[in-house]
Amino acid sequence: NAGVMQNPRHLVRRRGQEARLRCSPMKGHSHVYWYRQLPEEGLKFMVYLQKENIIDESGMPKERFSAEFPKEGPSILRIQQVVRGDSAAYFCASSPGGTDTQYFGPGTRLTVL
Amino acid sequence: QKEVEQNSGPLSVPEGAIASLNCTYSDRVSQSFFWYRQYSGKSPELIMSIYSNGDKEDGRFTAQLNKASQYVSLLIRDSQPSDSATYLCAVNIPGNTPLVFGKGTRLSVIA
Repeated sequence: NAGVMQNPRHLVRRRGQEARLRCSPMKGHSHVYWYRQLPEEGLKFMVYLQKENIIDESGMPKERFSAEFPKEGPSILRIQQVVRGDSAAYFCASSPGGTDTQYFGPGTRLTVL
Repeated sequence: QKEVEQNSGPLSVPEGAIASLNCTYSDRVSQSFFWYRQYSGKSPELIMSIYSNGDKEDGRFTAQLNKASQYVSLLIRDSQPSDSATYLCAVNIPGNTPLVFGKGTRLSVIA
């Protein structure tokens, strides 16, 4: 049973470009969470999604950031017009239900030049 | 505001000793509690979950929960250098809400 998959593992973008991060949850999991982690800092919750629904986006910046989890395919975290401050590790986690244990993917390391 | 507090460390213990990691939480209705381990440059990995007061043991790890004191801890017996990592405490409350994570405690086991 494959775990949570994220791609790409490393992503380099220049300022002003768009970054698209993908997350495929574990089989049987319909809840997806995105977190951001800056170097030497803790995990910061960004957004919580179920299939075709955003449940909680309280941790996601209002501008430039968006997330989706379509009926088919992976969840996507999209960052438009990236800035240097967006450089971080972005982790996706999934769970079977909203209050269940979350399992993390390997993360995407975004570097903005 | 839901908060989970952990001492950032570093907590240094000699090899073979017991490492004790502590976590307090603010929301009294919290129901589920988790400990994750995160090695540098890697993603968090679940170690233990605990749901009721008392101790729960799994190998060298023991999670302890005291809901009255809003306190959860993780004990690591016979600590090994490979246990050196950041340990994240996470708390869940009923309803469709995400886990709340502490900032983590950095543990260093000295050989």
